Amino acid sequence: QVQLQESGPGLVKASQTLSLTCTVSGGSISSSNYYWSWIRQPAGKGLEWIGRIYTSGSTNYNPSLKSRVTISVDTSKNQFSLKLSSVTAADTAVYYCARRDGDFPYYFDDWGQGTLVTVSS
Amino acid sequence: DIQMTQSPSSLSASVGDRVTITCRASQSISTYLNWYQQKPGKAPKLLIYAASTLQSGVPSRFSGRGSGTDFTLTISSLQPEDFATYYCQQSYSTPDTFGQGTKLEIK
Repeated sequence: QVQLQESGPGLVKASQTLSLTCTVSGGSISSSNYYWSWIRQPAGKGLEWIGRIYTSGSTNYNPSLKSRVTISVDTSKNQFSLKLSSVTAADTAVYYCARRDGDFPYYFDDWGQGTLVTVSS
Repeated sequence: DIQMTQSPSSLSASVGDRVTITCRASQSISTYLNWYQQKPGKAPKLLIYAASTLQSGVPSRFSGRGSGTDFTLTISSLQPEDFATYYCQQSYSTPDTFGQGTKLEIK
């Protein structure tokens, strides 16, 4: 089990870029077979997977967001990051970082506490 | 994308009741199905993975069944701490998708 903690601005202006970082503690982000993921949840709604980065650095993104999303990893800091460009009010949500197992059945077993990002006009 | 549909969307039940939540996938996902519990203001917590395997530390009153397109999560005897929202998630293909959630409320 690892601990994940999201950080970043809680308020972003429309059309700008949302940037969040997830700091992993209790284990090395590069030493094991895991996908490091971002998931979001608008208030009162369900969970939407945004994307993930593997320990090798390869990425996968939700097609609905792919043109605006970049996920990167900084192994020296044991962190991975999310950038979402051209945000609108629809991007207002609680953003979670999570660890996804690298083998079947690929569950999310550890989550950050979540951070609320509000997009203002 | 694989669509995950849960039913019901909400459910009222009493302590001690047995409840079952259903999750249906829009195509076969074998047993690439996981269940999570989420309480207000908290992150989701993994309950069951691979459709029927209980995550370590999860009480045995929780159980999961199914394969292919139809899955169930059953709580055999509801406890006060079980009132929460439950989500299924498929990991068969990218993008990972979640059901819309089932909110379990106290009757």
